[in-house]
Amino acid sequence: QQPVQSPQAVILREGEDAVINCSSSKALYSVHWYRQKHGEAPVFLMILLKGGEQKGHEKISASFNEKKQQSSLYLTASQLSYSGTYFCGTEIWRGSTLGRLYFGRGTQLTVWP
Amino acid sequence: EAGVAQSPRYKIIEKRQSVAFWCNPISGHATLYWYQQILGQGPKLLIQFQNNGVVDDSQLPKDRFSAERLKGVDSTLKIQPAKLEDSAVYLCASSPGSANTGELFFGEGSRLTVL
Repeated sequence: QQPVQSPQAVILREGEDAVINCSSSKALYSVHWYRQKHGEAPVFLMILLKGGEQKGHEKISASFNEKKQQSSLYLTASQLSYSGTYFCGTEIWRGSTLGRLYFGRGTQLTVWP
Repeated sequence: EAGVAQSPRYKIIEKRQSVAFWCNPISGHATLYWYQQILGQGPKLLIQFQNNGVVDDSQLPKDRFSAERLKGVDSTLKIQPAKLEDSAVYLCASSPGSANTGELFFGEGSRLTVL
């Protein structure tokens, strides 16, 4: 039930774009995105509910394809501060699993000047 | 606003010893979570509290792990006896509402090394 993230790692130059994907084999209720810098706590980026909603947060946005049970995180014109590990957390169905989040293994993003 | 506080930040013990971690969530947050994060992996939920009641502990190895949240505020997670595979960062998180209605606020974690 753990979602699969791809790619495992991304290396970018400042100003370049990146896409991180998250897919599940189960029907999803919601997808959550977090960023964790080395040695720090994960920080919430955004949550997407079923309905194909797309959200944005500064130059970071995400989409949720309910039919494919996939979500993608888009980082536009990356900045040095974007470096870190990005995790998606998927919530399968609130009623049966009490809203438990299953996190992927993460995508390590490195932005170079 | 103060964030989620955890202690200790680091702990090194030998296998079969015991260890306890403490978490103080953000004031007023009803839901508290303990996650285990093994190096190179995503956080895995161990236990979830709603106020001082357990909502989900299905992934908690109950033969060695225990957790409590007295008075619905701070919480402790105990491991006894520890095994080598328990080496991980133990993250505490809290949220204001019921199960996963939104953002989780994580603490910086307690890194456990079992030798």
